[in-house]
Amino acid sequence: RKEVEQDPGPFNVPEGATVAFNCTYSNSASQSFFWYRQDCRKEPKLLMSVYSSGNEDGRFTAQLNRASQYISLLIRDSKLSDSATYLCVVDKGGYNKLIFGAGTRLAVHP
Amino acid sequence: DGGITQSPKYLFRKEGQNVTLSCEQNLNHDAMYWYRQDPGQGLRLIYYSQIVNDFQKGDIAEGYSVSREKKESFPLTVTSAQKNPTAFYLCASGRLAGGGNEQFFGPGTRLTVL
Repeated sequence: RKEVEQDPGPFNVPEGATVAFNCTYSNSASQSFFWYRQDCRKEPKLLMSVYSSGNEDGRFTAQLNRASQYISLLIRDSKLSDSATYLCVVDKGGYNKLIFGAGTRLAVHP
Repeated sequence: DGGITQSPKYLFRKEGQNVTLSCEQNLNHDAMYWYRQDPGQGLRLIYYSQIVNDFQKGDIAEGYSVSREKKESFPLTVTSAQKNPTAFYLCASGRLAGGGNEQFFGPGTRLTVL
């Protein structure tokens, strides 16, 4: 079983749509959770950290369910500029190392 | 302005040659990391360093070597022993204390073996 699993997509959605990505992780000792965004042929960039209480940043909402070892990212009112690959990232529980999921590709069309 | 730089952006290597990829950061981060990304796959950790003059192997260290002589610099050498070196190489840095353990990336180096 992969340490971090994501649906690879692609998710093809029209502008203005709401889209949700899910991610599961295997290490119950993990303490830090993130969503990164990666544009084609570019480096990953931190989108947001994910906190136990859930957190929101504008159109983006992230949630964590520790019991189910599940993380989600909700994007509301999708924009063309949201087209990218979204990486679910989890720490390796007690180590200063991160485990990256393979990513979910989002394509927003007019 | 602060950030992480990698050079070169593109690198072409003949089989049997060693090449060194540069990574520099001026964020005063203690930890630095090297990852490899292949098409359609997640990032895989090659080496990481949490302090000057010390580094640890990641998941795919074979065929690679690193050094950490300065806090700001963490060069990666891809040796001829690496069987399939063509990939996108990403360097990252992060704090170890005083905050979360998020990592920040340089723009990457695309290595192609001819």
